[in-house]
Amino acid sequence: DIQMTQSPSSLSASVGDRVTITCRASQNIYNYVNWYQQKPGRGPKFLIYAATTLQRGVPSRFTGSGSGAGFTLTISSLQPEDFATYYCQQSYSAPPTFGQGTKVEIK
Amino acid sequence: EVQLVESGGGLVQRGGSLRLSCAASGFTFSSYWMHWVRQAPGKGLVWVSRINRDGTSTSYADSVKGRFTISRDNAKDTLYLQMNSLRAEDTAVYYCARDPGITGIAFDPWGQGTLVTVSS
Repeated sequence: DIQMTQSPSSLSASVGDRVTITCRASQNIYNYVNWYQQKPGRGPKFLIYAATTLQRGVPSRFTGSGSGAGFTLTISSLQPEDFATYYCQQSYSAPPTFGQGTKVEIK
Repeated sequence: EVQLVESGGGLVQRGGSLRLSCAASGFTFSSYWMHWVRQAPGKGLVWVSRINRDGTSTSYADSVKGRFTISRDNAKDTLYLQMNSLRAEDTAVYYCARDPGITGIAFDPWGQGTLVTVSS
């Protein structure tokens, strides 16, 4: 199985900050990475697919980048509703696997 | 509105069985692959199983293979997960999710989840 490793595991930030989350795959997965946002007590929300494409309705302050084995999720200006846990997921090969998550907390 | 609503979770003894259901609405259920994903308390997301559009092809995580069975009833717009020989490590919130079919395997949307607790 392909291992996905996120960093950091958690971070503290203020409203308006630029936040970057990194995801590294254990092998080349080209651009087969998706990103999700999860708030407490809720199912995850699909944010970005194919490494860089925003799902419909996702604010443009979210940006995905990277290819090969290294990927990044950036929030350009953190908003109060963005405090949540973020997961990357590889869709290159079965079984699909997730990173361990990055919790974005209020500073 | 596209919606997935899970049910059937609860407390069960080790070695017991449980069947989860996921009622779909707001889209043509029979046109999509579907998945189950679980999340142990305080932990990350782990894919469990998937089924193709007509139910003729299924796949499972190694940790549940031989114990869990995924199925669907397209006439009832409902996805199922039959869980047998449950273990303490199966304790988790179980989510059903639609595969949007836009990039490899992806999950969108997700239900609100149903909690399964296996007591030892």
